[in-house]
Amino acid sequence: TQLLEQSPQFLSIQEGENLTVYCNSSSVFSSLQWYRQEPGEGPVLLVTVVTGGEVKKLKRLTFQFGDARKDSSLHITAAQPGDTGLYLCAGAEMGYGNKLVFGAGTILRVKS
Amino acid sequence: NAGVMQNPRHLVRRRGQEARLRCSPMKGHSHVYWYRQLPEEGLKFMVYLQKENIIDESGMPKERFSAEFPKEGPSILRIQQVVRGDSAAYFCASSPGRDTQYFGPGTRLTVL
Repeated sequence: TQLLEQSPQFLSIQEGENLTVYCNSSSVFSSLQWYRQEPGEGPVLLVTVVTGGEVKKLKRLTFQFGDARKDSSLHITAAQPGDTGLYLCAGAEMGYGNKLVFGAGTILRVKS
Repeated sequence: NAGVMQNPRHLVRRRGQEARLRCSPMKGHSHVYWYRQLPEEGLKFMVYLQKENIIDESGMPKERFSAEFPKEGPSILRIQQVVRGDSAAYFCASSPGRDTQYFGPGTRLTVL
């Protein structure tokens, strides 16, 4: 079974600061997805990255997929209190089915 | 376009009873995945189904758990003779094919 290491586990920052969340693995994934999950709700898709080296931007969020498709990062610029939440990365295993392997998650708290 | 629907949202069962969790995928999606989120743990893959077929059940406990996705109607995750350790949030995700999976709001199962 492939593993996905996500760091940091917790992040508490002031409004306006920048931050980066990392997901790393020794295995290759066919794609990688980032989700945000609120308490009591299901994960909500933020982005899917498929190509090695791919960079996608979603307003103040920048997602990058490593060249070898083993790692990914999420960078938030000028964080706002509304960014507070649980962020999850999930790698789709190679082969038929693309079942997802999830990182443990990063709890982000942005203080005003 | 409605998202993935799951019901019930909350389910309470006594030890030894059966639990039935339902998932209706997004319109046009023929791939369904079930994941479990135990307290203080990350999301773990359980089973992947297409219409009338179980494709990958490598994450399913060997006993008491079963899943189906009939030609008509929702996908069902069935847990027989529930035990306290089955208490968790169960999430269903659907996909039109490769890569991106969209999650439902989950069913929170509590076993008394």
